[in-house]
Amino acid sequence: EAGVTQFPSHSVIEKGQTVTLRCDPISGHDNLYWYRRVMGKEIKFLLHFVKESKQDESGMPNNRFLAERTGGTYSTLKVQPAELEDSGVYFCASSQDWARVYEQYFGPGTRLTVT
Amino acid sequence: AQKVTQAQTEISVVEKEDVTLDCVYETRDTTYYLFWYKQPPSGELVFLIRRNSFDEQNEISGRYSWNFQKSTSSFNFTITASQVVDSAVYFCATNRDDKIIFGKGTRLHILP
Repeated sequence: EAGVTQFPSHSVIEKGQTVTLRCDPISGHDNLYWYRRVMGKEIKFLLHFVKESKQDESGMPNNRFLAERTGGTYSTLKVQPAELEDSGVYFCASSQDWARVYEQYFGPGTRLTVT
Repeated sequence: AQKVTQAQTEISVVEKEDVTLDCVYETRDTTYYLFWYKQPPSGELVFLIRRNSFDEQNEISGRYSWNFQKSTSSFNFTITASQVVDSAVYFCATNRDDKIIFGKGTRLHILP
């Protein structure tokens, strides 16, 4: 069974540009999460999808971040326009259902560098 | 609110030494989970363990062991006979509702 995959693995963009990160969860997993770790800080929750619906987006830092999960399969996280402080590693995770919401499987992460 | 404190920012030990990574947590919940994750230089997050708050038994998995003490709100992680491949950042975590709340991590260097 394939794990959580993320694309790209690394992205370098200039301040003001737009970047879209993609996450493909484990097949059949209803729950999809985005987390990020900025330099030297802890990994922080951004948001949680249940199928195509946003269950909790309390961790989204501001309106420059837009997450979608059309059709309840893969998800995208768009940053527009990117700022220097957005640099970090963005992790995606998925879990099968609400009963196993704590069994979150993490992807390899996307390292975003904003210059 | 939930919080995880990993007081050790960085640790260096010589290969084959034992090393303990400390983790202290705060939670308002009576039922909760505790986790440890490893982030090797390649960047991915590797799940190591999940422990339910009702289960205070210590756990051993090969060279890894975990000591859960509810009385002191600690969930420490020990690596016995460390190896260079253990070099990584280790994160302790707990949960709040559907979210995993991470500590800041401890960077572990195993020196050959």
